[in-house]
Amino acid sequence: GQNIDQPTEMTATEGAIVQINCTYQTSGFNGLFWYQQHAGEAPTFLSYNVLDGLEEKGRFSSFLSRSKGYSYLLLKELQMKDSASYLCAVIYGGATNKLIFGTGTLLAVQP
Amino acid sequence: ETGVTQTPRHLVMGMTNKKSLKCEQHLGHNAMYWYKQSAKKPLELMFVYNFKEQTENNSVPSRFSPECPNSSHLFLHLHTLQPEDSALYLCASSQDWVTGANEQFFGPGTRLTVL
Repeated sequence: GQNIDQPTEMTATEGAIVQINCTYQTSGFNGLFWYQQHAGEAPTFLSYNVLDGLEEKGRFSSFLSRSKGYSYLLLKELQMKDSASYLCAVIYGGATNKLIFGTGTLLAVQP
Repeated sequence: ETGVTQTPRHLVMGMTNKKSLKCEQHLGHNAMYWYKQSAKKPLELMFVYNFKEQTENNSVPSRFSPECPNSSHLFLHLHTLQPEDSALYLCASSQDWVTGANEQFFGPGTRLTVL
């Protein structure tokens, strides 16, 4: 079956760096997304990786290793507003796309 | 209106009721999606419409019936639901479903409670 694993919860300190990991097992791979979801709000897009390596976008970076079925989201210079759930999602499949999400990692940023 | 809108934002219904959720996207996208989000569970993709054609139905019970009259509007018709169907229902859109890189834009969701 298809599966995505993420830690359920993480805690970090304002100004610090935090890495949120995601591992996946899917039949095929067409890309990996990270979304941010604040409590009571809709998910918003953060990043997309399809090739191995690091994609940097401001304070947020996302890394992918397809051979290991592994990705991480790196958040630098943490701010209180970064407290949210971070959802990892994989799009996979052959002739037709399939999409699954992980359960999300709830990040709490403390002062 | 901009982005993706959903109505109603909150809905309480009995198991014998029939109701509909509405989604509208103002982004010129060609793909629209329905998701179910329950506590402690992954976001579940329910239906995908690409250029008004249903391309995915992820084993969703028939008491959920989607309708996509055009590429801007998506409905989810509900009938004889069960209490375990209580969840946040999210609508999303993207440029299309074929190109995997397309980010999805989500609406605010409808919080559904089935009594």
